[in-house]
Amino acid sequence: EAQVTQNPRYLITVTGKKLTVTCSQNMNHEYMSWYRQDPGLGLRQIYYSMNVEVTDKGDVPEGYKVSRKEKRNFPLILESPSPNQTSLYFCATTEGPTGELFFGEGSRLTVL
Amino acid sequence: GEDVEQSLFLSVREGDSSVINCTYTDSSSTYLYWYKQEPGAGLQLLTYIFSNMDMKQDQRLTVLLNKKDKHLSLRIADTQTGDSAIYFCAEKGTGGFKTIFGAGTRLFVKA
Repeated sequence: EAQVTQNPRYLITVTGKKLTVTCSQNMNHEYMSWYRQDPGLGLRQIYYSMNVEVTDKGDVPEGYKVSRKEKRNFPLILESPSPNQTSLYFCATTEGPTGELFFGEGSRLTVL
Repeated sequence: GEDVEQSLFLSVREGDSSVINCTYTDSSSTYLYWYKQEPGAGLQLLTYIFSNMDMKQDQRLTVLLNKKDKHLSLRIADTQTGDSAIYFCAEKGTGGFKTIFGAGTRLFVKA
């Protein structure tokens, strides 16, 4: 079964404490991306990766890092989280001409 | 830059038709999508339309595309309580895989 798996699903942390949200896909897709979802703003792209070791900024990259050492994994790193990074985060992957995105179930992050 | 706009809320009675509207700015859009998000879940593709089409029908769903006005709509016939969700309009341009999303329309279905 095609899957995009994110962990953790829920996390409450404090300002400045580094955290990583993992994302793994089993579809052998080259393209992966991270979005954040905020009420009234929809989904905004944070970072994306076209392939292993190829990453680029999306629309809202400030305060985030990513890495793509293996094709299946694309972790999102918050080196020093701040309250404005409280949000619902989605990892997604796609391949093929229609560009259909396959999403993980989301990671709800609260930064106190 | 590219932008996608849609109204935030829609309320309908069970059995009625729902129409969710969306406008976009990127005239080079190749594909336009409707994604559905149920509570506590990620987004799932509901349907899509290629930019050279005017209409696409899939069971209870009808997608209309007016490319001249950059207007996309999703009609759900015989709306059921299970259709209650957030519906996102999205578009993909000609460059790469970047997809731009609207803010999402929350559909409430009253029994």
